[in-house]
Amino acid sequence: GQNIDQPTEMTATEGAIVQINCTYQTSGFNGLFWYQQHAGEAPTFLSYNVLDGLEEKGRFSSFLSRSKGYSYLLLKELQMKDSASYLCAVSDSNYQLIWGAGTKLIIKP
Amino acid sequence: GAVVSQHPSWVICKSGTSVKIECRSLDFQATTMFWYRQFPKQSLMLMATSNEGSKATYEQGVEKDKFLINHASLTLSTLTVTSAHPEDSSFYICSALTSGGPSYNEQFFGPGTRLTVL
Repeated sequence: GQNIDQPTEMTATEGAIVQINCTYQTSGFNGLFWYQQHAGEAPTFLSYNVLDGLEEKGRFSSFLSRSKGYSYLLLKELQMKDSASYLCAVSDSNYQLIWGAGTKLIIKP
Repeated sequence: GAVVSQHPSWVICKSGTSVKIECRSLDFQATTMFWYRQFPKQSLMLMATSNEGSKATYEQGVEKDKFLINHASLTLSTLTVTSAHPEDSSFYICSALTSGGPSYNEQFFGPGTRLTVL
């Protein structure tokens, strides 16, 4: 079956760095997405990885290892507005997104 | 990036009535749109894949006669919840698939529709 695993909840301090991990097992692979979702809102796109390695975009970076079925999202210089759920999703062989359950990130002052 | 709109953004209806939700891609054509449902504190659950000009493909456990999907044009897909019941109350989100370049197809999400069935 297809499976995406990520921690349910994480807590970090404002100004710090946090890494959210995601492991996956899917039928086919056409890339991995990270989305941010604030409560009551639709997800917003953060990053896309299809090749191994690190993609950096401002305060956010995303890493992929296809051989390990593993990705992480790294958030630096955390701000209170980063409090949200972070969803890992894998595009399978049919370009359909398989979603993780999301990681709720709580930022404390 | 590409913009997807949904209408209405929220709706309250009585049990037994039908509700139509529209999903539009505003600045691009989308041959494929997806409909998701999200219950509180849960991740998105794919309900169906909507392809322009053909019948939608429903995920297992989703009743196609209850959730009617029409993708009549390259910029519009509609989801009709027929004979809605309180358990259908949820956050419904659509997304549209676009070719973002040579390496991937990205889904752009609508803002979602909050349905409350009394």
